[in-house]
Amino acid sequence: AQSVTQLDSHVSVSEGTPVLLRCNYSSSYSPSLFWYVQHPNKGLQLLLKYTSAATLVKGINGFEAEFKKSETSFHLTKPSAHMSDAAEYFCVVSVSGNDMRFGAGTRLTVKP
Amino acid sequence: ETGVTQTPRHLVMGMTNKKSLKCEQHLGHNAMYWYKQSAKKPLELMFVYNFKEQTENNSVPSRFSPECPNSSHLFLHLHTLQPEDSALYLCASSQQRALPGPYNSPLHFGNGTRLTVT
Repeated sequence: AQSVTQLDSHVSVSEGTPVLLRCNYSSSYSPSLFWYVQHPNKGLQLLLKYTSAATLVKGINGFEAEFKKSETSFHLTKPSAHMSDAAEYFCVVSVSGNDMRFGAGTRLTVKP
Repeated sequence: ETGVTQTPRHLVMGMTNKKSLKCEQHLGHNAMYWYKQSAKKPLELMFVYNFKEQTENNSVPSRFSPECPNSSHLFLHLHTLQPEDSALYLCASSQQRALPGPYNSPLHFGNGTRLTVT
């Protein structure tokens, strides 16, 4: 069985400070992992994906995530938050086929 | 994201109405999906079509009826809905491998249809 847990439902940062959105997964096999972002009234947009290549994955808009098998984590980071980063972020785990499990989401607020 | 287009963007319907949601993908993908997104709930997978064949139906009530006439188009037919069906309905597509193996093709989402049932 596979599952994903986003450890924070809401994260608030100041503009220009680092962002850390935490994700832990559970999987019996080598998973594929994804982060998506959703802005208000929009669909989900792929930020980055991990598919058993490099453990540090770089995505769009300056985001990156590190796959840590020993900690079963796939945390999303960005060195410096921008106002436009305010959105809902989803961590997703997949082992095979159409079986993709979405986390409950983390709402990121960026203060000026 | 213009690869997956959903219409209409907003829909208000009464419980006795019949309506349809439409999704079209321009990415050449072979799999299409319907998801339901409700407030304060994780994304719920409703239906999956691989190569135009329905492969998953996650215990969705029969008042929701999907249709996939070809690999580029997906519909969700709605009838006699309940107020709790009000949600954002998201369509997605992906390129599925023909052989079993780890899934590594990401989903591409449309902007969704905001459905309100009165």
